[in-house]
Amino acid sequence: EAQVTQNPRYLITVTGKKLTVTCSQNMNHEYMSWYRQDPGLGLRQIYYSMNVEVTDKGDVPEGYKVSRKEKRNFPLILESPSPNQTSLYFCASSLSGGFIDTQYFGPGTRLTVL
Amino acid sequence: AQSVTQLGSHVSVSEGALVLLRCNYSSSVPPYLFWYVQYPNQGLQLLLKYTTGATLVKGINGFEAEFKKSETSFHLTKPSAHMSDAAEYFCAVRSSNTGKLIFGQGTTLQVKP
Repeated sequence: EAQVTQNPRYLITVTGKKLTVTCSQNMNHEYMSWYRQDPGLGLRQIYYSMNVEVTDKGDVPEGYKVSRKEKRNFPLILESPSPNQTSLYFCASSLSGGFIDTQYFGPGTRLTVL
Repeated sequence: AQSVTQLGSHVSVSEGALVLLRCNYSSSVPPYLFWYVQYPNQGLQLLLKYTTGATLVKGINGFEAEFKKSETSFHLTKPSAHMSDAAEYFCAVRSSNTGKLIFGQGTTLQVKP
């Protein structure tokens, strides 16, 4: 089944404890992206990747890192999480970054930073 | 700059009634528009998209949307609401620079029995 998977789905952590949220897609997509969703602010892009080894900042990259060493994986790293990073995170992928390509979303990771 | 605006953050309809969710776009290039649905505690799922060709686009679960260039609109409709349609709906367009989806504010659809 074609899908985007994220792990973990739920995570409660404490300030400053490094964490990684994994994202994997099995559709051979070139484009991958991370969004966060917050009440009243909608979905905002954190980072995106047009292809392997090519990543770039989105609208809200502060406090996050990403890497794209393989086509299928695009982990999101929080080196020193803070409470303002408590949010619902979505990974998405598409064939390319083009206008018409559909982005497919993972199920989401709900992160709470205490 | 590309943007989409959804009119009405909350829409409430009775089961069996017409669903109409409004989306207007502003774009300097030919728009390619998407509607996504987010059920509670789930990710976003594509309902339908408009690229080129037929302006009436049919999607999943009985939804459809009509692209009207003269009105810069892409409203989502369903003839008869079902309880399972209760969700949040997002209109979106992709950025030409970063490929990101630019979302509208979202519309929460409530379906009353």
